[in-house]
Amino acid sequence: AQSVTQLGSHVSVSEGALVLLRCNYSSSVPPYLFWYVQYPNQGLQLLLKYTSAATLVKGINGFEAEFKKSETSFHLTKPSAHMSDAAEYFCAVDLQGAQKLVFGQGTRLTINP
Amino acid sequence: DTGVSQDPRHKITKRGQNVTFRCDPISEHNRLYWYRQTLGQGPEFLTYFQNEAQLEKSRLLSDRFSAERPKGSFSTLEIQRTEQGDSAMYLCASSAAGQNYGYTFGSGTRLTVV
Repeated sequence: AQSVTQLGSHVSVSEGALVLLRCNYSSSVPPYLFWYVQYPNQGLQLLLKYTSAATLVKGINGFEAEFKKSETSFHLTKPSAHMSDAAEYFCAVDLQGAQKLVFGQGTRLTINP
Repeated sequence: DTGVSQDPRHKITKRGQNVTFRCDPISEHNRLYWYRQTLGQGPEFLTYFQNEAQLEKSRLLSDRFSAERPKGSFSTLEIQRTEQGDSAMYLCASSAAGQNYGYTFGSGTRLTVV
């Protein structure tokens, strides 16, 4: 079975500081991996995805994530946080061919001025 | 095409009533998914259609839940005899087969059962 663990349900950083949101997955085969962002009372917006091409994936709004097979991780980073980054972030995994996403429990990112 | 549309955005219903939600996917997407998200949790998979065929249902989808996609375009999710535990955000997503796993989500329908 595949699962996703997001370490830290709440992360708080200062504006301009590095953002690091952690995601580890378990899967018996190389998965496809996704990061989504959700603003209050909104749906999910795709930030980036890994689908077995380059291990360093660049997404929208300055975010990027690196797939590390040896660590079964797909951590999300952004060099400099902006106030508009405050939101809920979800890591998700799709076992190839499964045709569905399994989500982590989410990390709420707070940006301090 | 403006993306995945869901209607209504909010629904408040009394316990025991039936409710129906609608999802209009991106027109060229042949796959459609329903997820449920409770407060403070990640979305959970409910069911998935390819064209009009419902190919998978989660065990979360009790007998009170039914989903349809009659013409392979829009989909409806009906909950009969609602319970307070059904209160959640119901998210719809769509994708196109062979398009490198791009899932587009709608804004969701927030259901409150009182």
